[in-house]
Amino acid sequence: DVKVTQSSRYLVKRTGEKVFLECVQDMDHENMFWYRQDPGLGLRLIYFSYDVKMKEKGDIPEGYSVSREKKERFSLILESASTNQTSMYLCASSFRGGEGGQYFGPGTRLTVT
Amino acid sequence: GQQVMQIPQYQHVQEGEDFTTYCNSSTTLSNIQWYKQRPGGHPVFLIQLVKSGEVKKQKRLTFQFGEAKKNSSLHITATQTTDVGTYFCAASGTYKYIFGTGTRLKVLA
Repeated sequence: DVKVTQSSRYLVKRTGEKVFLECVQDMDHENMFWYRQDPGLGLRLIYFSYDVKMKEKGDIPEGYSVSREKKERFSLILESASTNQTSMYLCASSFRGGEGGQYFGPGTRLTVT
Repeated sequence: GQQVMQIPQYQHVQEGEDFTTYCNSSTTLSNIQWYKQRPGGHPVFLIQLVKSGEVKKQKRLTFQFGEAKKNSSLHITATQTTDVGTYFCAASGTYKYIFGTGTRLKVLA
């Protein structure tokens, strides 16, 4: 069974803090993704990576950066958290061609106060 | 850029009634995927459609891909309370998928 794990289920941070969200997958997937999910807006892609050390901006990359030093691990970094980054963050992984779909982690609900 | 519209946004049905959600793209798609997200859960992959006019079934769920490969639908026959959740379509792009905004289904017992 594919497993995608995220470092925290719930996180509370203060405005201006640096925040790290970690994601690990165990299926040797080439592609990894970070999304945020907000009510009424669906899933919006922040960044994705199709290989180690490769990254591509998604639809809403502002205020975020990512790191992929190993194939199984994809980190999302909020350099200076702001209240409008309060959201549910979902990590996903897939094979290069997308066959079999994306496998999602359980999500991290981040609250920035 | 590519846009994916999904309708309706919400649907309340009585248990036993049928349900359909529609996904429309502004461009021709190479393939489309469908996901289900239970309340409090994360999206789970249901199926991928690749061929023009393709129809696939999973028990009470029927998935269709339009002839022009610009739209798709998910139909649930005789809904059950276990069908509650949000259904998303995801249209393929290069390496990534663009998700529709989802249809939230509520089933009234």
